[in-house]
Order: sequence, then structure tokens, then C-alpha cells
Amino acid sequence: DQQVKQNSPSLSVQEGRISILNCDYTNSMFDYFLWYKKYPAEGPTFLISISSIKDKNEDGRFTVFLNKSAKHLSLHIVPSQPGDSAVYFCAASAGSGGGADGLTFGKGTHLIIQP
Amino acid sequence: DVKVTQSSRYLVKRTGEKVFLECVQDMDHENMFWYRQDPGLGLRLIYFSYDVKMKEKGDIPEGYSVSREKKERFSLILESASTNQTSMYLCASRWGSGRIHEQFFGPGTRLTVL
Repeated sequence: DQQVKQNSPSLSVQEGRISILNCDYTNSMFDYFLWYKKYPAEGPTFLISISSIKDKNEDGRFTVFLNKSAKHLSLHIVPSQPGDSAVYFCAASAGSGGGADGLTFGKGTHLIIQP
Repeated sequence: DVKVTQSSRYLVKRTGEKVFLECVQDMDHENMFWYRQDPGLGLRLIYFSYDVKMKEKGDIPEGYSVSREKKERFSLILESASTNQTSMYLCASRWGSGRIHEQFFGPGTRLTVL
């Protein structure tokens, strides 16, 4: 039973345009959400996160939106750049924070930025 | 800068061999994790540890064990490697206090079991 779903295995976007990556979750206990970016043969690197008490968090070209009622979050990248081509993982965390619980990851979306 | 290192980038082992994957972090993190990444399956949690000598099973612990004798080091052990354990293995660490959920990952070990 997949608790974090990324339904698009891949996404192709033109350079300079907006990239929108989507993520849905089923576990209502999740209270913190993260996006990671992964290049081939490297470990994931943290990109941006959002707490369930917020509906938006922005960091430079990256914005994450959270819709708790729909159990949906999205990552917006604008403008998209060639270096953004990577696999993006959505992850979620439950509990009071500070616990050792692992993150629950989606299967990832391969973003391809076309020149 | 947080640094998580893994002992090998690439490893080739034979079925039935005992395999040790080592992970070291230099940020005095309390929590450490082992994941495996497979195409189409994302990252799945194998084991985690919230303190020295403490360990908890993740979602897919079967066929694996772990050891944490020192705070900075977390080892993943495949007692008898099998071909279905061919995968990318990722170690991560995190502070244990406060509402800090971000995990820092190592570069990964690509394990092939023949």
C-alpha cells in the first residue's frame, strides 16, 4: 500500500518554463513533507520542505504548495534550467518530530529539461 | 557541511557471501538510516537507529541486519547475499532533537550480487 504517490514517472519541460511535479499521500498522520533531488550515481540532496501548518514555502526558484484537504502537494520550479534535470522524490514524515522514524518516499519523477 | 560517507561506491559479491556496507557521518547525528533504491520503487527503508546500539526495523528488513557500535557509524549487513539484494543502498543521518526532519544522504553503494 503506497502511502506517498508520484503518478508521473517522467516529465519533460522546456528550458525557461515552469516545471510542476505532483505528489499525493494517503496517511493523514504525515505532518511534514520534503522534496529531494537525485542525480544518477549520487545520493539524494534535500531541496525544500513544508510543514503541515503551512500551505506554501518558497526558496528561490523552488516553491512547494500543500493542500491538506486534498492530501496533495506540488513542487514548482520556475524558470526551469538544464541543471534541474534529475529524479525528484517526494517524501513524508509523521510523528512529533525528533523521532527516528524514517521518511516515506514516493517512487520519483524523472524531470527532463529540454533546451 | 554535513558529510555522510559510504565505504564503497560499487561492490560485486557472490550469492551466499556475507556483505558489510559501512556508513559514517561527521555531524554527531543521533539518527541513522539505511534505504535501498530500486527502479520504479523509489527509496525503501530497511533499518534505522536512533542511538548507539539501538535499532529498529523499517519497511523491508528481511535478509538484513545492522550494527551501531559508535554514534558516527552505522553498518548494514547482508548475512547471505542473494541476487534480489542487487540494488543501490543509501545511508542517511539526521539530528534527533527538535522538529528537524531533513535527512542527509551519502553517495550510495551500488551492490551487485551474482
